[in-house]
Amino acid sequence: QVQLVQSGAEVKKPGASVKVSCKASGYTFTGYYIHWVRQAPGQGLEWMGWIVPSSGDTNFAQKFRGWVTMTRDTSITTTYMELTRLTSDDTAVYYCARGDVLTGTDYWGQGTLVIVSS
Amino acid sequence: EIVLTQSPGTLSLSPGERATLSCRASQSVNSRYFAWFQQKPGQAPRLLIYGVSSRAIGIPDRFSGSGSGTDFTLTISRLEPEDFAVYYCQQYGSSPLTFGQGTKVEIK
Repeated sequence: QVQLVQSGAEVKKPGASVKVSCKASGYTFTGYYIHWVRQAPGQGLEWMGWIVPSSGDTNFAQKFRGWVTMTRDTSITTTYMELTRLTSDDTAVYYCARGDVLTGTDYWGQGTLVIVSS
Repeated sequence: EIVLTQSPGTLSLSPGERATLSCRASQSVNSRYFAWFQQKPGQAPRLLIYGVSSRAIGIPDRFSGSGSGTDFTLTISRLEPEDFAVYYCQQYGSSPLTFGQGTKVEIK
């Protein structure tokens, strides 16, 4: 079965960086995009961008360009999202989701809580 | 960017009742790429509907989606206790992907 398993919660200080991983299993890793979506406490869903695992191509929402990086390691079917220059506004649960052309973001990871606090 | 506006913000209903949730887009959406999600506290969003009206794997037939252009609807024909949650619409046909702000379906 399709599974996306994310790394554990993180607590970071303002100005630091965080790198969240998302390990995929149960499907052909290079056949689907991976999207990253975040959700601040009590708020809605915000799309950050996607990565194409087969090529490493990326596309980011305008507000994240320049301070988010998405990479992948096909040998271990894992994608990574790194966010730099963290502020308290980046406190959120970060989700990875598989992207299919027709069904969209059909399978989601369990989420990774990132807390930014001094 | 396509802005999605959901209404109402909160829907207070009893089990067994029908729920109708709306989502309006700021510009026309490619109907092949419109979805609805359910989210419960502490859980990841769960895909309910994709392509406006196709149910995702394992989704019961009391959930149905409809609409085109700029107006879309999610209908839950008879609310079950497990259906009380927050629902989000999403368009994934153009970048950036965008979500509505959510509709909370609560027990009356």
